Amino acid sequence: QVQLQESGPGLVKPSQTLSLTCSVSGDSISSGNYYWSWVRQPAGKGLEWIGRTYISGSTNYNPSLRGRVSMSLNTSKSQFSLKLTSVTAADTAIYYCATITMLGGVPYYFDNWGQGTLVTVSS
Amino acid sequence: QSALTQPASVSGSPGQSITISCTGTRDDIGTYNFVSWYQQYPGKAPTIIIYEVDKRPSGVSTRFSGSKSGNTASLTISGLQAEDEADYHCCSYGGGSALVFGGGTRLTVL
Repeated sequence: QVQLQESGPGLVKPSQTLSLTCSVSGDSISSGNYYWSWVRQPAGKGLEWIGRTYISGSTNYNPSLRGRVSMSLNTSKSQFSLKLTSVTAADTAIYYCATITMLGGVPYYFDNWGQGTLVTVSS
Repeated sequence: QSALTQPASVSGSPGQSITISCTGTRDDIGTYNFVSWYQQYPGKAPTIIIYEVDKRPSGVSTRFSGSKSGNTASLTISGLQAEDEADYHCCSYGGGSALVFGGGTRLTVL
């Protein structure tokens, strides 16, 4: 069982960059067993997939966020990270890191989740 | 890629069965069987209850079942219990390595 823990600033000013880190335990981030992903949830709303990254270096992002989002892995620290630029109030949400099990390279389902971290965009 | 469509809320009495629909397009649910469902209690992270349309992970109650017809997937909960009161989210693979969620459904057990 993989354990995930998000960390990062809870308050970000408009137009600045949101940066979050997810610490991984229970499996090696280099194992190739999972896609490493971020999902967010505005208060009272549904989940939104942000994107995913893989040990190969490949990344895929939600088209609605493309151009503002980037993800990376830090294998030495067993962490993966999210950066979202030019944030607005609409980016205020609980941000979850999660693993995606794959089947034949296709993202199959989200099977491990962090507890989530609230990020508020406000001046 | 547009979000999948779920009813905002459903309700049922203990012992009854309820079904939550999740409507997509031929580009996601209509083409792929990679539909999953997640249960989320207030203040908690989601947990998976159904994957690949109708498969249950180990430990998930057999009262939860999934199905798909055309562009619509469904989650059925039979023998409703108070502990089933939660939010339910559907998710589908949409091709091009993209994933899309529904807007979530609040289940109230009366």
